[in-house]
Amino acid sequence: QMQLVESGGGLVNPGGSLRLSCAASGFIFSDYYMTWIRQAPGKGLEWLSCISSSGVTVYYADSLKGRFTISRDNAKNSLFLQMNNLRVDDTAIYYCARAVAGTGWFDAWGQGTLVTVSS
Amino acid sequence: EIVLTQSPGTLSLSPGERATLSCRASQSVTSSSLAWYQQKPGQAPRLLIYSASSRATGIPDRFSGSGSGTDFTLSISRLEPEDLALYYCQQYGTTPPTFGGGTKMEIK
Repeated sequence: QMQLVESGGGLVNPGGSLRLSCAASGFIFSDYYMTWIRQAPGKGLEWLSCISSSGVTVYYADSLKGRFTISRDNAKNSLFLQMNNLRVDDTAIYYCARAVAGTGWFDAWGQGTLVTVSS
Repeated sequence: EIVLTQSPGTLSLSPGERATLSCRASQSVTSSSLAWYQQKPGQAPRLLIYSASSRATGIPDRFSGSGSGTDFTLSISRLEPEDLALYYCQQYGTTPPTFGGGTKMEIK
């Protein structure tokens, strides 16, 4: 059974850093592009970043301005998001999702991990 | 980037009625590269429709998608109480992929 499980969220001070992880199981992880998407409290969905199946190609939302870095470890079926210089408006639930047909639609989602940026 | 505008913001209907949700793009969506998601309270989004009109695995045929270019529609026939949710459209034909602001479905 296909599953995505995020971890690493929590409370962090403005300017701090967090590293989110997403553990994948039930499918051939190395065959798929993977994506991070977030949802601020009471708000809609915001695409953040995508990484190719090999990890060679990455894409980012312009709004991140170089603060976030996506990576993956295909040997460990894991996806990561390194988040630096966090701001209050980065407070959100962060979802990892499997992308179909490259940077296509998202057919599987994790349950999300909550990141709260506050002093 | 392509901006997606969903309407109405909230839709309140009774069980058994038909719902029609709209998603309009600021420019043409390449190759009908549009998906729809359902997000129930406290849950992660779930894929309903991709390629504008293809149902995802396990999605009942009460859900259907249509449209092309800049105008897309999600229809839900025979509404059920479990359809209470937020519905989002997403385009993936142009990077960055973008989401609409959502339509909240209320069941009377």
